[in-house]
Amino acid sequence: QVQLQESGPGLVKASETLSLTCTVSGGSMKNYYWNWIRQTPWKGLEWMGNLFYSGNPNHNPSLGSRISLSIDESKKQFHLKLSTVSAADTAVYYCARSRNVLFRYGVDVWGQGTTVAV
Amino acid sequence: QSALTQPASVSGSRGQSITISCTGTSNDVGGYTYVAWYQQFSGKAPKLVIYDVNNRPSGVSNRFSGSKSGNTATLTISGLQTEDEADYFCSAYNIRGILLFGGGTKLTVL
Repeated sequence: QVQLQESGPGLVKASETLSLTCTVSGGSMKNYYWNWIRQTPWKGLEWMGNLFYSGNPNHNPSLGSRISLSIDESKKQFHLKLSTVSAADTAVYYCARSRNVLFRYGVDVWGQGTTVAV
Repeated sequence: QSALTQPASVSGSRGQSITISCTGTSNDVGGYTYVAWYQQFSGKAPKLVIYDVNNRPSGVSNRFSGSKSGNTATLTISGLQTEDEADYFCSAYNIRGILLFGGGTKLTVL
């Protein structure tokens, strides 16, 4: 059974870069899309972006050029970098898996989430 | 304000059925069948309960069902049980290539 685990600093200073890593265990990264989704009480769930196991990142235009996604299949990890953070980026960050570029099968596996405060 | 509109709260008694609506536009809910529903308990990650409008992942109770009409998708929970008390979110693929979520609905079982 695939499990995802987020890791990274729980506190980031304003204007700096937020960096998180998601480690995949119990399954392959191949043929799946790997997502970052965040949640706040005031904005709810927000899809930030994803990338296929072989690359080809796609991100929410609302984040502009602040977001950077990467994947290291050999380490079974994928990464999120969000630059120039502000208090509005304080959230619970989830890494998650989806099977299809159009999210036909939904987001079927989620990490437990990690809280990041700015 | 979330891209997809859900009621803030719904309630029902044990054994009853409830529905939760999720309204979008022809660019997301109305344009594709790629609507999903998630159950979230406090402090936990969301769990997928419906995908592709009306399909259940393995292990999800058949008391959960989904449907769609026009720009509105609906989650129905029948035979309500106390353990169903949670927050429920919808998601839908948008023509801009992004995944949209609803604002969430808090279900209270009376």
